[in-house]
Amino acid sequence: NAGVTQTPKFRVLKTGQSMTLLCAQDMNHEYMYWYRQDPGMGLRLIHYSVGEGTTAKGEVPDGYNVSRLKKQNFLLGLESAAPSQTSVYFCASSFGRAEQYFGPGTRLTVT
Amino acid sequence: DQQVKQNSPSLSVQEGRISILNCDYTNSMFDYFLWYKKYPAEGPTFLISISSIKDKNEDGRFTVFLNKSAKHLSLHIVPSQPGDSAVYFCAARDTGTASKLTFGTGTRLQVTL
Repeated sequence: NAGVTQTPKFRVLKTGQSMTLLCAQDMNHEYMYWYRQDPGMGLRLIHYSVGEGTTAKGEVPDGYNVSRLKKQNFLLGLESAAPSQTSVYFCASSFGRAEQYFGPGTRLTVT
Repeated sequence: DQQVKQNSPSLSVQEGRISILNCDYTNSMFDYFLWYKKYPAEGPTFLISISSIKDKNEDGRFTVFLNKSAKHLSLHIVPSQPGDSAVYFCAARDTGTASKLTFGTGTRLQVTL
């Protein structure tokens, strides 16, 4: 049981480049979430999904897109990366109860 | 508008003593409160939670207290151990919102020998 995994662990992008972060969970959770963590800001919700084929905006969705084509995967896309998107990105999943289970994170630097 | 606040960025406690981490919130619609622990270069891990209908929940060395009238919760760790050194995040769930959580900014706990 791997829990929640994230790919890649680290990435450096140039301004304007695009990339996709992959989150996978093997716990059969319905709900999945993408957060970003910045110094002094805590974790902020970017997008979330309450089931396969559904997505919704969170607190800070601008500049990001998501897709949930399979129940176990939740993809976060950056179409045109900006330095303000330098952050650590965490994916989480849950059954819909309060507790969410987090992946190990992806550290993204945009130069 | 920060709905969940952790006003102490850091806390240092001696091994064996009690650690008390505090959290305040403003949204009366929060129905569940959680504490997460985070080590460097790892994801947050769930520690303990409490429903808004309770005022205390205990799990081993960890106890969470909720004071709804003051919109305040606290996490007590007794006795503190060096392995407890980490960043602790308080989080709250808004009832009826896809179980979305709002996080505080975290408190870094350092347990010294």
